[in-house]
Amino acid sequence: DIVMTQSPDSLAVSLGERATINCKSSQSVLYTSSNQNYLAWYQQKPGQPPKLLIYWASTRESGVPDRFSGSGSGTDFTLTISSLQAEDVAVYYCQQYYSTPQTFGQGTKVEIK
Amino acid sequence: QVQLVQSGAEVKKPGASVKVSCKASGYSFTSYGISWVRQAPGQGLEWMGWISVNDGKKNYADKLQGRATMTTDTSTSTAYLELRSLTSDDTAVYYCARGEGGWCDPWGQGTLVTVSS
Repeated sequence: DIVMTQSPDSLAVSLGERATINCKSSQSVLYTSSNQNYLAWYQQKPGQPPKLLIYWASTRESGVPDRFSGSGSGTDFTLTISSLQAEDVAVYYCQQYYSTPQTFGQGTKVEIK
Repeated sequence: QVQLVQSGAEVKKPGASVKVSCKASGYSFTSYGISWVRQAPGQGLEWMGWISVNDGKKNYADKLQGRATMTTDTSTSTAYLELRSLTSDDTAVYYCARGEGGWCDPWGQGTLVTVSS
């Protein structure tokens, strides 16, 4: 199984500041024939289901604010919130869909400092 | 809009079975698969598997050890997850989501299954 490890487990950022979440996979999730990274990011607010933010590592889902961006390739990925808003308080998960079982990172809790 | 609406909370005794439903609307049900993911209290997300609505192909997490069955009813645009031989470790919120081997979007509201004697 591919192990997804996120860092940090939690972070507190001031409103308007940048938040950066890292996700590392135990093996590459880059499918070389298509040059696509099989990685997604989700946001989960308390009491709600997860919401898709990013797929193919860097493609923003329709309707997701452009302050959210994804980057990285191979085994190392980053979700960046460029200017943290109050409504961004949530737990963020990365997920690989390169192989089954699909696996998620353990989650990163983002709070306001 | 695309929506997945799940059945209500369940309380089961150890050894029993549970069947969770997931009714889809707002899109062509047969054009996408359905994935199932669960989340134990205060924990992260665990992928359980997916089913292709179009051809019935399924992919289950080995960890479930054959206790899970995913099915669909195209006449009602509803997907089902049955989990047997329940233990306290199966206590979780169970989510369905549109998706087949790729990302999951959108997700149902979740169904809490509590296993307790």
